[in-house]
Amino acid sequence: EPEVTQTPSHQVTQMGQEVILRCVPISNHLYFYWYRQILGQKVEFLVSFYNNEISEKSEIFDDQFSVERPDGSNFTLKIRSTKLEDSAMYFCASSESLGTQYFGPGTRLLVL
Amino acid sequence: DQQVKQNSPSLSVQEGRISILNCDYTNSMFDYFLWYKKYPAEGPTFLISISSIKDKNEDGRFTVFLNKSAKHLSLHIVPSQPGDSAVYFCAASAYQQNAGNMLTFGGGTRLMVKP
Repeated sequence: EPEVTQTPSHQVTQMGQEVILRCVPISNHLYFYWYRQILGQKVEFLVSFYNNEISEKSEIFDDQFSVERPDGSNFTLKIRSTKLEDSAMYFCASSESLGTQYFGPGTRLLVL
Repeated sequence: DQQVKQNSPSLSVQEGRISILNCDYTNSMFDYFLWYKKYPAEGPTFLISISSIKDKNEDGRFTVFLNKSAKHLSLHIVPSQPGDSAVYFCAASAYQQNAGNMLTFGGGTRLMVKP
């Protein structure tokens, strides 16, 4: 069964450093998403991406964040200058249409 | 942001019995609802969904009921199995043209099914 994959599974970085989280969505899906879950809190929407552009973003997704689909398979989330409060599980998701979203296993980001 | 709420943080059920997980929402624009199951250190796994044009959807042991007037949905698992033990999230979205179909999640309910 097709699934969303994410790398790395864990990332530790120093405050102020740039990180890139990678995702390979399900191959025939057209809509891509990033969510995050800070420990003990709800899963929160960050951004959605369709047709090579951002279609929606939340207040969390400020200028420090960017997304890219550099080729036909990868979807990346970049955090330019990480802050302590960026520590969270980051989940990528994809959907074939505006319906059910399928999630990857997540990347645990720890900012020291 | 409390648009989607799951008021029970945990639920304990005996194996073979019914598990009922509840979810309330406030945004009347929501028109698509989903339930996800999540194990520790894993991503949410899709279980079942329901569109606002229906009031019930069934898939094997899982049934989701939607009461639009009460802005309430529930997930029934019958019979419950120990492997069902996990955190269950309800999520909702509102169709908007040219927008991204973001999901709004509840806080989750931890289900423990005892053998």
